Amino acid sequence: NAGVTQTPKFRILKIGQSMTLQCAQDMNHNYMYWYRQDPGMGLKLIYYSVGAGITDKGEVPNGYNVSRSTTEDFPLRLELAAPSQTSVYFCASSDPGRNEQFFGPGTRLTVL
Amino acid sequence: ELKVEQNPLFLSMQEGKNYTIYCNYSTTSDRLYWYRQDPGKSLESLFVLLSNGAVKQEGRLMASLDTKARLSTLHITAAVHDLSATYFCAVGYGGATNKLIFGTGTLLAVQP
Repeated sequence: NAGVTQTPKFRILKIGQSMTLQCAQDMNHNYMYWYRQDPGMGLKLIYYSVGAGITDKGEVPNGYNVSRSTTEDFPLRLELAAPSQTSVYFCASSDPGRNEQFFGPGTRLTVL
Repeated sequence: ELKVEQNPLFLSMQEGKNYTIYCNYSTTSDRLYWYRQDPGKSLESLFVLLSNGAVKQEGRLMASLDTKARLSTLHITAAVHDLSATYFCAVGYGGATNKLIFGTGTLLAVQP
């Protein structure tokens, strides 16, 4: 199993550009999450999903959108990038029965 | 609002010494997680604590949970340089969705 994979690993955006961060998992987990980590800080939840077609906001959803059309994929969309969105983004998935989240390798995004 | 506080934020230790990292949280939860993060890397799950009084040990690390005091501790015994990393605690909330609120992390530097 590859676990949780994320692409790209690094990206530089200009202010106002859009992009989609990709996340996929091959563990058949129903629950998936997007977090951001600012320098020297813990992770903050952006959006989460409990299954295909079901998504909900976390702590810091403004400026982001998500969709979940399949169990495997959970992309995060930035529509109008702002410098405040410079961060490292982590995707995670979990199996409700195990109460444990598994994290992807992260995407480092810089908005200039 | 659920808040999670870790202390200390930075810990410089000598090899061979013992120390404890504290994680306090502000509202009821019976799920507490400890993660390790190396620079530029993702999060590695260390411990999952799911009940009051839970204690888990792995090598030189031992974690415990007191849900009544809303406190978890991560104890380091006879520190070695390989333990140098940032350690995060995270508290589960939101029932079955198992969303996480993270502490700000403790940067541990073990000096020879």
